[in-house]
Amino acid sequence: DAGITQSPRHKVTETGTPVTLRCHQTENHRYMYWYRQDPGHGLRLIHYSYGVKDTDKGEVSDGYSVSRSKTEDFLLTLESATSSQTSVYFCAIRVGQGVDEQYFGPGTRLTVT
Amino acid sequence: GENVEQHPSTLSVQEGDSAVIKCTYSDSASNYFPWYKQELGKRPQLIIDIRSNVGEKKDQRIAVTLNKTAKHFSLHITETQPEDSAVYFCAASKHQKLVFGQGTRLTINP
Repeated sequence: DAGITQSPRHKVTETGTPVTLRCHQTENHRYMYWYRQDPGHGLRLIHYSYGVKDTDKGEVSDGYSVSRSKTEDFLLTLESATSSQTSVYFCAIRVGQGVDEQYFGPGTRLTVT
Repeated sequence: GENVEQHPSTLSVQEGDSAVIKCTYSDSASNYFPWYKQELGKRPQLIIDIRSNVGEKKDQRIAVTLNKTAKHFSLHITETQPEDSAVYFCAASKHQKLVFGQGTRLTINP
């Protein structure tokens, strides 16, 4: 499982509330990613990080923010959740120097009612 | 930016037959092309990948081919088995970011 965990694994929240998802890795990899997965859209990149305090936007970043204050944790925050953010969220890490292989965490199923 | 198209969206084959899934990409600078398998309720798992300096790669019953000129790559599964039933995703990478295709649901019929 490449030493990646995500928490919580399931969450139901109401529209307008803030939500934070956590991705934790045990192997000190530099690159970490957040994706969302929706039927018919595959996996879409939300944000990624290339080091502590170094982050950048992906293709679907509106409504999301991220933070990385230490190597092992990458947080995804929905400042004010909307029903369109109901999805399965996957964290991933890139393994090694000059290697593009990404390995995924177990996922978080988020439902916004 | 990069755009990846994947076909077909669903594929049903008889056990023992071969399955082929195709992807096209738009950015000629993409240089890494992984394939992931995702079973129901599970995380995507990397099953094979190919880099732009290689035309073909094989690992037991699965193989991937890359045509850089035409900007397309394909996944080939031979001697399919029931456990091959899953959703398969292709992706293309440039500058440490992956762009995924929409996925193919593969069903192996006994």
